[in-house]
Amino acid sequence: QQQVKQSPQSLIVQKGGISIINCAYENTAFDYFPWYQQFPGKGPALLIAIRPDVSEKKEGRFTISFNKSAKQFSLHIMDSQPGDSATYFCAASLSYNTDKLIFGTGTRLQVFP
Amino acid sequence: EAQVTQNPRYLITVTGKKLTVTCSQNMNHEYMSWYRQDPGLGLRQIYYSMNVEVTDKGDVPEGYKVSRKEKRNFPLILESPSPNQTSLYFCASRATTVNQPQHFGDGTRLSIL
Repeated sequence: QQQVKQSPQSLIVQKGGISIINCAYENTAFDYFPWYQQFPGKGPALLIAIRPDVSEKKEGRFTISFNKSAKQFSLHIMDSQPGDSATYFCAASLSYNTDKLIFGTGTRLQVFP
Repeated sequence: EAQVTQNPRYLITVTGKKLTVTCSQNMNHEYMSWYRQDPGLGLRQIYYSMNVEVTDKGDVPEGYKVSRKEKRNFPLILESPSPNQTSLYFCASRATTVNQPQHFGDGTRLSIL
């Protein structure tokens, strides 16, 4: 019940295209859903986060879509750029205890010119 | 510059030889955590600490110890390392305010032979 399932494992997108990464969770008590971006040799860094009281959150080219009834959320990267090439992790936690982050298994995104 | 610093960045050692990975943050954060990252498994929490002298187990604590004697430092101790502890380790910290993101260090790659 604590799992967060992430897909796909890897993704290749042409420059300018849309990258979509999906996550599904089981614990209905989770109420904080961040996405982290990780470049090679670096630690993960928070990209964008959402709480389940909204269905969508957009920051620049990055959008989280949230479907509470389906227990799914996804990251959309519009106009993907080579600089977006990184590993992306979704995560979930209880908002009062965001130290107990449960991470997905990660998606390696490659954006080709 | 606000940062989480881990040392060493790389270590190759042998089974049974005690080692310590240090973690220090300069943001006066109360919360600190340790994660391990393995291919196909994402990041899994080892231990976390809510403040000085307060620590708790994460999802994969077996074989690890931690201590929090000072607010800025949170070392990870492997008393008797084994090959299954070969992994990429990350330390993270965050402030106490609800939904504050975790700030990660750049990682320590441990190889236990």
